[in-house]
Amino acid sequence: SYEVTQPPSVSVSPGQTARITCSADSLPKQYAYWYQQKPGQAPVLVIYKDSERPSGIPERISGSSSGTTVTLTISGVQAEDEADYYCQSADSSGAWVFGGGTKLTVV
Amino acid sequence: QEQLVQSGAEVKKPGASVNVSCKASGYTFSSYYIYWVRQAPGQGLEWMGRINPSGGSARYAQKLQGRVTIIRDTTTSTVYMELSSLRSEDTAVYYCARDRDEGGSGGFDPWGQGTLVTVSS
Repeated sequence: SYEVTQPPSVSVSPGQTARITCSADSLPKQYAYWYQQKPGQAPVLVIYKDSERPSGIPERISGSSSGTTVTLTISGVQAEDEADYYCQSADSSGAWVFGGGTKLTVV
Repeated sequence: QEQLVQSGAEVKKPGASVNVSCKASGYTFSSYYIYWVRQAPGQGLEWMGRINPSGGSARYAQKLQGRVTIIRDTTTSTVYMELSSLRSEDTAVYYCARDRDEGGSGGFDPWGQGTLVTVSS
């Protein structure tokens, strides 16, 4: 089956830059999307189509793409950024697939 | 504002079916795909399927094919997800979400508040 791969966890100190990667074979041909989920809440879309930011999402959250890997970057990390982040893409048939999620810890 | 409101928590026995509703408001219902995503306790997100409210065509994740059905009622702007032959592994929070673009592929935004379905004997 199609796989979208993320690291299980990333730790960063406040004010530093966090980078979360996501890999999948289809990423050169399919867009990637990123969601932030805090405990007990529904996910929130933070990046769509690799690098576009919905209104209301801070500019310090950005996305980039290179080959089969996409990266979510959070600059000047704040305590409020601590959350689970999920990457999403589509397989060759158009079925949506989520990565396993990355827990961002602000230490 | 654009929002999706889901039905309340359910407790079901193994082998039963569950029906979760998702009522849309604040936008043109027929213009945007609706998706269903579930999350087992402590686990990640799993895409279940989607419906095009305009014509009613649905597509399902291969893993759930044959057990999941998604339909819509345009008169009430509501989408329904039915999951049958429930087993303990189906215990999860079930979310509906809308595509942010009319053509699809815009990302899932907004999301419903989630519905906890517990399968237990």
